[in-house]
Amino acid sequence: DAGVTQSPTHLIKTRGQQVTLRCSPISGHKSVSWYQQVLGQGPQFIFQYYEKEERGRGNFPDRFSARQFPNYSSELNVNALLLGDSALYLCASSLQGPQGGYTFGSGTRLTVV
Amino acid sequence: RKEVEQDPGPFNVPEGATVAFNCTYSNSASQSFFWYRQDCRKEPKLLMSVYSSGNEDGRFTAQLNRASQYISLLIRDSKLSDSATYLCVVNMFSTGNQFYFGTGTSLTVIP
Repeated sequence: DAGVTQSPTHLIKTRGQQVTLRCSPISGHKSVSWYQQVLGQGPQFIFQYYEKEERGRGNFPDRFSARQFPNYSSELNVNALLLGDSALYLCASSLQGPQGGYTFGSGTRLTVV
Repeated sequence: RKEVEQDPGPFNVPEGATVAFNCTYSNSASQSFFWYRQDCRKEPKLLMSVYSSGNEDGRFTAQLNRASQYISLLIRDSKLSDSATYLCVVNMFSTGNQFYFGTGTSLTVIP
């Protein structure tokens, strides 16, 4: 079985641009969450979706948005990119819903120049 | 105060040693607790969930102390392959789910 897959793996964007990151959860997993990880820090929680509804939101500005589709895949959108948005963006899925441990994808490395 | 705090280390221990990591959390409403392992430039991988009764998986033992609001991870008989960053994770449900990661504790097992 495929694990959590994220695309693209690497991305370079210019300040002010918009970006969309994609995530396909493990088959059968209905819960997806997104994290931002900068070098030397632990992942920071951005969003959690379960059964296509937002169930949790971290302390990120409104420039960050996400959605989950009927097939449980998810997109993370970031508008008006800032240099500080450069990071590894991780998606994770869980079979057990919000209370379960998550399996992470290998991430999308976003560089904003 | 950060929601989850960990000693970043680094911990450098010889093979065969026993090493323990602690993690404290600030919100008593926290509900689920986990330890993850992250290798350099890789994604985090779930090591184990943490329960109040304590749980063990081979050489790894995790404990939760709700009264003192800390979780711990004990690694016995350390192997070279245990070298990684260990992240504790706390899930708190308030207005929605909030997942908080610690900054991670770096472990290097030395031959």
